[in-house]
Amino acid sequence: EDQVTQSPEALRLQEGESSSLNCSYTVSGLRGLFWYRQDPGKGPEFLFTLYSAGEEKEKERLKATLTKKESFLHITAPKPEDSATYLCAVFTSGTYKYIFGTGTRLKVLA
Amino acid sequence: DSGVTQTPKHLITATGQRVTLRCSPRSGDLSVYWYQQSLDQGLQFLIQYYNGEERAKGNILERFSAQQFPDLHSELNLSSLELGDSALYFCASSPTTGGGNEQFFGPGTRLTVL
Repeated sequence: EDQVTQSPEALRLQEGESSSLNCSYTVSGLRGLFWYRQDPGKGPEFLFTLYSAGEEKEKERLKATLTKKESFLHITAPKPEDSATYLCAVFTSGTYKYIFGTGTRLKVLA
Repeated sequence: DSGVTQTPKHLITATGQRVTLRCSPRSGDLSVYWYQQSLDQGLQFLIQYYNGEERAKGNILERFSAQQFPDLHSELNLSSLELGDSALYFCASSPTTGGGNEQFFGPGTRLTVL
């Protein structure tokens, strides 16, 4: 069964303290892995798409990487405005559906 | 602003009632997806339409139905509502049928069933 697991569930960082969020997946036929940011009570906001192992994408303080079994979202020198829930999703050719992880709740303290 | 609109923003109703949620996709997007997000379950895929046709089905209850109209807007109908249906309902759109395209989410409809 296709599965996406995100860790940790919650993370508290001091401003400027870099860290990584993990998204591990077990799927049949990965067609794309997606990262979204979601603020409380709002819709997820698209961040990155990764298609193949070894691929990397960057945007401001965020960098996403992909291996054959997992993806990492690296946050460098985070600021309080980076506080949000970060969601990982995969699209598979097996089920032809998007499957979301339960997210990592990030809190960055000033 | 993603370009996806959803109405209403909030909906409060009673058990046993029926409601309709509306979604307008981004201009040019042919696919519409519906998701349910509750506190304990995360984002659950319900159903996808592409250019008016049902494309994929997720964990959608038989009490729920959806359709996509010729102008590409979509409606999600929820009937015989139960307390457990209280959740945020999101609509998302993408240019094609999926297959690796990012989705753009609307602001959501918060449904409260009393």
